[in-house]
Amino acid sequence: DTAVSQTPKYLVTQMGNDKSIKCEQNLGHDTMYWYKQDSKKFLKIMFSYNNKELIINETVPNRFSPKSPDKAHLNLHINSLELGDSAVYFCASSREPGQGYNEQFFGPGTRLTVL
Amino acid sequence: AQTVTQSQPEMSVQEAETVTLSCTYDTSESDYYLFWYKQPPSRQMILVIRQEAYKQQNATENRFSVNFQKAAKSFSLKISDSQLGDAAMYFCALYNFNKFYFGSGTKLNVKP
Repeated sequence: DTAVSQTPKYLVTQMGNDKSIKCEQNLGHDTMYWYKQDSKKFLKIMFSYNNKELIINETVPNRFSPKSPDKAHLNLHINSLELGDSAVYFCASSREPGQGYNEQFFGPGTRLTVL
Repeated sequence: AQTVTQSQPEMSVQEAETVTLSCTYDTSESDYYLFWYKQPPSRQMILVIRQEAYKQQNATENRFSVNFQKAAKSFSLKISDSQLGDAAMYFCALYNFNKFYFGSGTKLNVKP
């Protein structure tokens, strides 16, 4: 059974379009994350939600809006797509952050290509 | 600020031999965790090994071991008896304040 799943795995779209990437985890975790991996393979956190509340919001354009309908889902909506948005987007989940470390489980990634 | 640096963009190793991937980091915190993740062509991020900063003993996981030098802020990964399936991108990461900070990755090629 897939622990963290993302749909779609590949997304090709035109500049200016609006698109969403969905993420679901069946691990019972309270916290979910979105990461962006650029063409140079550099992986950087974008957002984190804990029990549907935003707890980490890195410097990301307003065109990116995460939405968490429940704690098992964290979707990423991107408005007015730009060429520079082309990347692989990873979703991850973990138990509630606190002291120490809770392992993050990563999804398979969504490769977004903006033409 | 937290930073992670991997100075080797790409490395090659002969099958069955040993290779060491380098990583240095910077943090002003005393409590943190360090990781090595593997990303094969499938893109899946796979945890290879983890080290708690408060532990002096180096972590080991089967053929994977680390050399953790806290004072030098160095965290290298040693892969022994390299296998073809070890070919992948390897990312060093620092965990602190509920966030991961990743290095830029080292691409490991394994030659048969």
